[in-house]
Amino acid sequence: DAKTTQPNSMESNEEEPVHLPCNHSTISGTDYIHWYRQLPSQGPEYVIHGLTSNVNNRMASLAIAEDRKSSTLILHRATLRDAAVYYCILRTMDSNYQLIWGAGTKLIIKP
Amino acid sequence: DAGVTQSPTHLIKTRGQQVTLRCSPKSGHDTVSWYQQALGQGPQFIFQYYEEEERQRGNFPDRFSGHQFPNYSSELNVNALLLGDSALYLCASSPGLAGRYEQYFGPGTRLTVT
Repeated sequence: DAKTTQPNSMESNEEEPVHLPCNHSTISGTDYIHWYRQLPSQGPEYVIHGLTSNVNNRMASLAIAEDRKSSTLILHRATLRDAAVYYCILRTMDSNYQLIWGAGTKLIIKP
Repeated sequence: DAGVTQSPTHLIKTRGQQVTLRCSPKSGHDTVSWYQQALGQGPQFIFQYYEEEERQRGNFPDRFSGHQFPNYSSELNVNALLLGDSALYLCASSPGLAGRYEQYFGPGTRLTVT
């Protein structure tokens, strides 16, 4: 079973920042937090991942709470192309670091 | 640099038949994972190959089998197809087994069983 909790859907306006929350209260010290997204009719796409510290890349930023029980994916300026299902996934040693997917958050971008 | 490629794109089979799906990983990647994604759901892990061996397996019956070749490409075989096997089959590659590595996905093969 997925070890993360995400809202089913979120809406945001184009060209505004988007904050996608994820709860992972059972996280342990060796678990990695991964984010992927899946655009309609496409395979999933890697977005970002982290362990303890906040991370930035060209696509997004990942803010990890100090206790690591939650994290937030930040899209700094959403475009229509960012409309997708966003999956927050814990890669745990217990599951041999496999990607165990939940239902994700469907992000709707309004023009 | 070509990413992960999969073939064929679409496939229609009849119940009871067998099917083989193919995957070429991203250049420099040696680990291949296969997933099944039913409509409206997240992907489900089938198995993972590394160094030509199945390293991990999800909750799928033995009808699902695979292979990895010396060039790291991989095949997924499904025998005795059932209607419930209709899904998008995704291949993902990564540069290793560890949790710190991201996985890169192909576009998938859409399998329809009639």
